[in-house]
Amino acid sequence: DTGVSQDPRHKITKRGQNVTFRCDPISEHNRLYWYRQTLGQGPEFLTYFQNEAQLEKSRLLSDRFSAERPKGSFSTLEIQRTEQGDSAMYLCASLAGPLPETQYFGPGTRLLVL
Amino acid sequence: SQQGEEDPQALSIQEGENATMNCSYKTSINNLQWYRQNSGRGLVHLILIRSNEREKHSGRLRVTLDTSKKSSSLLITASRAADTASYFCATDGHAGGTSYGKLTFGQGTILTVHP
Repeated sequence: DTGVSQDPRHKITKRGQNVTFRCDPISEHNRLYWYRQTLGQGPEFLTYFQNEAQLEKSRLLSDRFSAERPKGSFSTLEIQRTEQGDSAMYLCASLAGPLPETQYFGPGTRLLVL
Repeated sequence: SQQGEEDPQALSIQEGENATMNCSYKTSINNLQWYRQNSGRGLVHLILIRSNEREKHSGRLRVTLDTSKKSSSLLITASRAADTASYFCATDGHAGGTSYGKLTFGQGTILTVHP
C-alpha cells in the first residue's frame, strides 16, 4: 500500500454512460497525476495538478474527459458518454516537491465499457 | 505516445539467475525511473537515476544510464519467484530544466521467474 487510494477499483458500464473516479493522494503531496494504461502497454499521461491548478492536459484527454482537484486534496476524473475505447486502467499518482522525486501510484481503477 | 522501447518484451528465467532489461528513449531527459507492476495492480517505484548519473544500486537492483545512447538497463541479481512482474522504464523529459514529474513510460518487460 503506497498511501494513494482510488475508488472504485473496478467499474463496468454501458457505452454512453458517464463514470467518475476518485483519487485520494498522500495528504502532504501537492502534485497529482492521472495516467491511463491499456492492456499490454505502459501508462500514458493524461493530466496533472499542482494543488488545485490543472497545469497540463494530454491530447489523449478529449472533451469527454474532465478532471478536478477542487481543494487541492482528492481528485476526480469524469468520463462522459463512455466509449468502448475508454476501457483501460486509470492510475493516479502523487508526489511532494521538490522534483525530481518518486511518484506514488494508487492501485488503479479498471474500467470496462460494454 | 510511448517514449521508450523496452527489450526484451518478455523474459523467462530460473530462480537465482540474473535478469537484465533494457530501455531506450528518444528525447533528452531529466531523470529515468524504473517501476514494477504486478498483474492488474498499481505501479511500485524501484529506482530513480538522474541524467548526470551513470550507475545506481539499490539492494539487488543495478541501473545504468547512458545518455549518449539514450538507453538504460535494469539488472536484478539473484532473482526470486516474487520478482515475477512487469517492469517499466519511465522518463521525465525536461533535461537541464525544471522537472514537473510528467512521466513517459515504455511498453514494459514481462519477467517470469520460475522456482
